[in-house]
Amino acid sequence: ILNVEQSPQSLHVQEGDSTNFTCSFPSSNFYALHWYRWETAKSPEALFVMTLNGDEKKKGRISATLNTKEGYSYLYIKGSQPEDSATYLCAFINNAGNMLTFGGGTRLMVKP
Amino acid sequence: DSGVTQTPKHLITATGQRVTLRCSPRSGDLSVYWYQQSLDQGLQFLIQYYNGEERAKGNILERFSAQQFPDLHSELNLSSLELGDSALYFCASSVGPFSYEQYFGPGTRLTVT
Repeated sequence: ILNVEQSPQSLHVQEGDSTNFTCSFPSSNFYALHWYRWETAKSPEALFVMTLNGDEKKKGRISATLNTKEGYSYLYIKGSQPEDSATYLCAFINNAGNMLTFGGGTRLMVKP
Repeated sequence: DSGVTQTPKHLITATGQRVTLRCSPRSGDLSVYWYQQSLDQGLQFLIQYYNGEERAKGNILERFSAQQFPDLHSELNLSSLELGDSALYFCASSVGPFSYEQYFGPGTRLTVT
């Protein structure tokens, strides 16, 4: 069983705040890391797929970085909005390309 | 709308029964994935097919099986159902294997009574 951990488990911020959270994964056997945004009563929505050490990806106000050598990825949200409220999941894929393991998620709540 | 369809939306059945969940991937996607989300656990990867062949296996029970057909739709078969199999089952699809974005369907809610 691979250890993929996300922190914090939950986060409450005010509208306009910038925030970030972490996904930690095994630094060996890395193949790819996915980030998903999951709103209540909906399906997970892909944000980023990251494959290379040092990758930085951006989509609007959301960006992510990847450090495969130390086994972590950060997700940043700039100027949080209430519609950003969701659970953010990361998923680690091993280098055999045959196993995907999700972290427990970070639940973000943005207050207007 | 991701373009991935799943049927049925809801399914209620009794312990010991067998059910089949169906998934149609987005047009052009060759990979299909199945996931389970139960109340007490997060999202768990079950199995992946790529162009008709099984590519990766996760935490899938022996009572469960899946296949991907020539038209690329996939079915997940759950047999000898137990109460603990009650969960939301998601299908996702992608163009290629794991290094590509996955698009999730709306899910099938299975309730075993």
